[in-house]
Amino acid sequence: ETGVTQTPRHLVMGMTNKKSLKCEQHLGHNAMYWYKQSAKKPLELMFVYSLEERVENNSVPSRFSPECPNSSHLFLHLHTLQPEDSALYLCASSQDIGTPSYEQYFGPGTRLTVT
Amino acid sequence: GQNIDQPTEMTATEGAIVQINCTYQTSGFNGLFWYQQHAGEAPTFLSYNVLDGLEEKGRFSSFLSRSKGYSYLLLKELQMKDSASYLCASMDSNYQLIWGAGTKLIIKP
Repeated sequence: ETGVTQTPRHLVMGMTNKKSLKCEQHLGHNAMYWYKQSAKKPLELMFVYSLEERVENNSVPSRFSPECPNSSHLFLHLHTLQPEDSALYLCASSQDIGTPSYEQYFGPGTRLTVT
Repeated sequence: GQNIDQPTEMTATEGAIVQINCTYQTSGFNGLFWYQQHAGEAPTFLSYNVLDGLEEKGRFSSFLSRSKGYSYLLLKELQMKDSASYLCASMDSNYQLIWGAGTKLIIKP
């Protein structure tokens, strides 16, 4: 399997549930990202990891908790979410951070619905 | 503040040419990216400009004017498969991408 994969592709959860999103990249990249994409809004960067170390957290609520056990895997743990958290969650990777010309490769996303 | 502006939606005819504009204002500048996103799919990289001028890549070209904070994506010989959203993103001084909301391009036969 190549590129960036994400599971599950679709998730419906109640506000009291706990779930996790998984991302895996097969590109040998050192940087991984979580984005939130809401309809008709710009992509919002949530978290950035470089070589398994978190380097950026853009004021994301604590109900979202990332985990990067190695440079190929990234998780987003979810708990006590709100309906406004319903969105498409995209994972991406790039060769490195701090190198402008390296484009980001995106996974297909997880469509999350909070009921 | 940081801001990226691009039209919400555009319509064009198969075989024609369309230009999608993007203006940006970011803290520092490390280049301008264009991505394509088909409905329900992942964004895919189209182009990167860091110097002024036009970069051509097949049917797609991208232009940058740093002094004007302006870029455009030019699509020639439009095909139905070009129907998608086109995302403009500027890389700021922290090497973070600041994204526009995307331009939905509708191609009509």
